[in-house]
Amino acid sequence: GAGVSQSPSNKVTEKGKDVELRCDPISGHTALYWYRQRLGQGLEFLIYFQGNSAPDKSGLPSDRFSAERTGESVSTLTIQRTQQEDSAVYLCASSLEVISVLGTDTQYFGPGTRLTVL
Amino acid sequence: GQQVMQIPQYQHVQEGEDFTTYCNSSTTLSNIQWYKQRPGGHPVFLIQLVKSGEVKKQKRLTFQFGEAKKNSSLHITATQTTDVGTYFCAGRSYNTNAGKSTFGDGTTLTVKP
Repeated sequence: GAGVSQSPSNKVTEKGKDVELRCDPISGHTALYWYRQRLGQGLEFLIYFQGNSAPDKSGLPSDRFSAERTGESVSTLTIQRTQQEDSAVYLCASSLEVISVLGTDTQYFGPGTRLTVL
Repeated sequence: GQQVMQIPQYQHVQEGEDFTTYCNSSTTLSNIQWYKQRPGGHPVFLIQLVKSGEVKKQKRLTFQFGEAKKNSSLHITATQTTDVGTYFCAGRSYNTNAGKSTFGDGTTLTVKP
C-alpha cells in the first residue's frame, strides 16, 4: 500500500478484556515501531522490530503487552486483561532503515488505533 | 540507554513571533529527524540532519545540528496559526547499527491569532 495502515481505527473495550491491534507497514520496510500516546502526551516507545533481529521489547510497560511481526510484514500488538490506564492512541511506524544509506531512518506513521477501556 | 530531551515542553506565542525548540541527546547521534504532529493527527516527517553543524531551511523553518552532533534546534520565523502542533525530534545513537531511533517528548506550540 501507499502508507502504513492500522486497524481498527477505534476500539472500545471493557476492563479485563483482551484486544489485538494490527499494523500493516509500507512494503519493503524492515523496521517497525509501536508507540503509545496518551492524550496530550508524547510518544511512549513500546517495541521495535528490525529485520530478523530479536525485537527490542524494552518499552513494553507490563507482561500484559506483547507484539509479534510476521517476517517483514504485518505486526500485531496484543494487550491482555486491559486496564483503564491502557486507554490511549497506539501508533505504528515503519522505516526502511538501511543503515548505510542516508535518509532511510524516516519513520512513516500510521493513523493510529484509539483504544478506550471502560 | 540513550535519552533525548526537548525543551520547552510548551510554548505559546502571538502570531508573527518567532519560536524555537531545542533537542539534546545524552549520546552522539548519527542523525536527527524532526517531525510535526498536528492536533488529532499523527507525526509527519519534516527533515533529517546528518552532518555536524548542518543547517537546513524549509521556508520559515530553520533546522540546525550541533557541531558535536548531540543537540539540534528548530526555529520558526514569524509563526502562523498553521504552525500549531507538537514538534518532535528523534535521533539514533552514533555507535549502534541495530538500535532504534529515540524520540524526545516534544514541544507543543500554540499560536494566538
